[in-house]
Amino acid sequence: AQSVTQLDSQVPVFEEAPVELRCNYSSSVSVYLFWYVQYPNQGLQLLLKYLSGSTLVKGINGFEAEFNKSQTSFHLRKPSVHISDTAEYFCAVSDNTGFQKLVFGTGTRLLVSP
Amino acid sequence: NAGVMQNPRHLVRRRGQEARLRCSPMKGHSHVYWYRQLPEEGLKFMVYLQKENIIDESGMPKERFSAEFPKEGPSILRIQQVVRGDSAAYFCASSPFGQQSSYNEQFFGPGTRLTVL
Repeated sequence: AQSVTQLDSQVPVFEEAPVELRCNYSSSVSVYLFWYVQYPNQGLQLLLKYLSGSTLVKGINGFEAEFNKSQTSFHLRKPSVHISDTAEYFCAVSDNTGFQKLVFGTGTRLLVSP
Repeated sequence: NAGVMQNPRHLVRRRGQEARLRCSPMKGHSHVYWYRQLPEEGLKFMVYLQKENIIDESGMPKERFSAEFPKEGPSILRIQQVVRGDSAAYFCASSPFGQQSSYNEQFFGPGTRLTVL
């Protein structure tokens, strides 16, 4: 079974500052890793995913994440945030089969202020 | 290509009533997943279905909850005799048919927010 830990429930940051949202996972098998964003009262949108290969993954809206197998982490970063990045961010993991159920963390609320 | 559609978007029920949540997958998708998001929590897997088959229901509560994905029409998540603790956002996701060994992206719908009075 897999599990995901997002230690920060809320991260306040000023506009144009860099941000890192932390995610750690545990699994006894090889995994796929994901970051999703959820805007208020909306569904989830995939930001980026790690399936295999390069450990640095680039996604939409200027976000990137780095898979670190030894530290079982998949932290999300953005060098300069915008007000519009204010949202809930979820890290998720699944096993690396074709039909995966996703296991989500509890989410991190990113609050960007002017 | 329309995205995953869920209806209703908001549903209010009194304790003891039944709730029916519908999910229409993206065109060409034959796999549906249901997840539940309780207030201030992440999404939790409930059930995974293919057309006319339940593949994995390990996340479904043992009583009052059922799901189906018929040959024709949307997938239905049914909650009988709702209680206040069922109040949550219910999301479905769909993915295309693919090989067991390959990645099949899940596309999420906007969710149905169930409120039990």
